[in-house]
Amino acid sequence: QKEVEQNSGPLSVPEGAIASLNCTYSDRGSQSFFWYRQYSGKSPELIMFIYSNGDKEDGRFTAQLNKASQYVSLLIRDSQPSDSATYLCAVRYGGGADGLTFGKGTHLIIQP
Amino acid sequence: DTGVSQNPRHKITKRGQNVTFRCDPISEHNRLYWYRQTLGQGPEFLTYFQNEAQLEKSRLLSDRFSAERPKGSFSTLEIQRTEQGDSAMYLCASSRGPSYEQYFGPGTRLTVT
Repeated sequence: QKEVEQNSGPLSVPEGAIASLNCTYSDRGSQSFFWYRQYSGKSPELIMFIYSNGDKEDGRFTAQLNKASQYVSLLIRDSQPSDSATYLCAVRYGGGADGLTFGKGTHLIIQP
Repeated sequence: DTGVSQNPRHKITKRGQNVTFRCDPISEHNRLYWYRQTLGQGPEFLTYFQNEAQLEKSRLLSDRFSAERPKGSFSTLEIQRTEQGDSAMYLCASSRGPSYEQYFGPGTRLTVT
């Protein structure tokens, strides 16, 4: 059973601080990793993807991947109230399987 | 650039009825995916197409569910003899190809009464 684990939260972070969201996955053969943001009642919106070990930065967002530890994280710098949402971690296992496996998401609250 | 579109956005149906949802992917994307999401859970993969070929089906896709993509463009997802447990958000996503990122449409929220 391929699993993706996230702390459901809520994770409360003061405005302007760094929010750190974490995700672990069970299958060492996993190839691609994604972070989606989902506002209540809306569909998931892709914000970051990472395929190689290390860090990938895009604006205020940094994705970090450690395949040896089967761990992927998302950092949000200078957190804004509009960042309050559920953040979904998703994994593609590859090997012909192209569907994503999602975690349950972490509910992030940015306190003004 | 037009994103993924889905219709209808909301559907209320009575148990035992059949429903059909439509998804139009981003125009240059040849892969199309269906997911289902219930409250408090992440999306769950159902099936995907490469052009008109259905390449993978999840064990969640029971015999009452069928998906098609007849001309490799839009796709339909039909649920026959709906049950209350089918109530969920049905999400469609598309990508340029294998190993590319997937972009979601707005979803179709199904309520079975």
